[in-house]
Amino acid sequence: GENVEQHPSTLSVQEGDSAVIKCTYSDSASNYFPWYKQELGKRPQLIIDIRSNVGEKKDQRIAVTLNKTAKHFSLHITETQPEDSAVYFCAASSYGGYSTLTFGKGTMLLVSP
Amino acid sequence: GAVVSQHPSRVICKSGTSVKIECRSLDFQATTMFWYRQFPKQSLMLMATSNEGSKATYEQGVEKDKFLINHASLTLSTLTVTSAHPEDSSFYICSATSRETEAFFGQGTRLTVV
Repeated sequence: GENVEQHPSTLSVQEGDSAVIKCTYSDSASNYFPWYKQELGKRPQLIIDIRSNVGEKKDQRIAVTLNKTAKHFSLHITETQPEDSAVYFCAASSYGGYSTLTFGKGTMLLVSP
Repeated sequence: GAVVSQHPSRVICKSGTSVKIECRSLDFQATTMFWYRQFPKQSLMLMATSNEGSKATYEQGVEKDKFLINHASLTLSTLTVTSAHPEDSSFYICSATSRETEAFFGQGTRLTVV
């Protein structure tokens, strides 16, 4: 089955800096890669996703890049703000939303003012 | 985005009793629902996948007789933790999806077994 590795497990940055979280996956059949943000005690919220026919996607301060050959994808957050502090999970699946998502272990991002 | 409602949000039960958690998709028909367990500071661990009208598929290591899953309609799935023990205390989250949507998560249920 799919295996998703996520690094780093914790990331501390100063407000205004950029943050990068990286994930690798094992199943070459995976073609859908969402990123979720989870605040303490709350549900994960989809913040951005990318499909395998696209190499990069951007939405305001967040962007995701995908390298299918190397089987890794990354989340980039620019101009970080304290409210970006949360746990971020990457995930991969083979058939988009209607298939099983395999999650990475999460990255706790702390943005200091 | 679509709305997935999970109830209750918190429950405390005595050891040995059973607890039922509901997961509803409010504005779309969920052909598939997933149940996850999340321990503190850890990732979401898939417990089982349920398709409407069929038996749930459990992940390795998850006891199907202990965690009963029912997906009787396209908008409702339930997870029943039977004979709960303190080690079952955790955050349980469902997600729902269809062929046209990404996965949407319920708000989670904090289960405490005392």
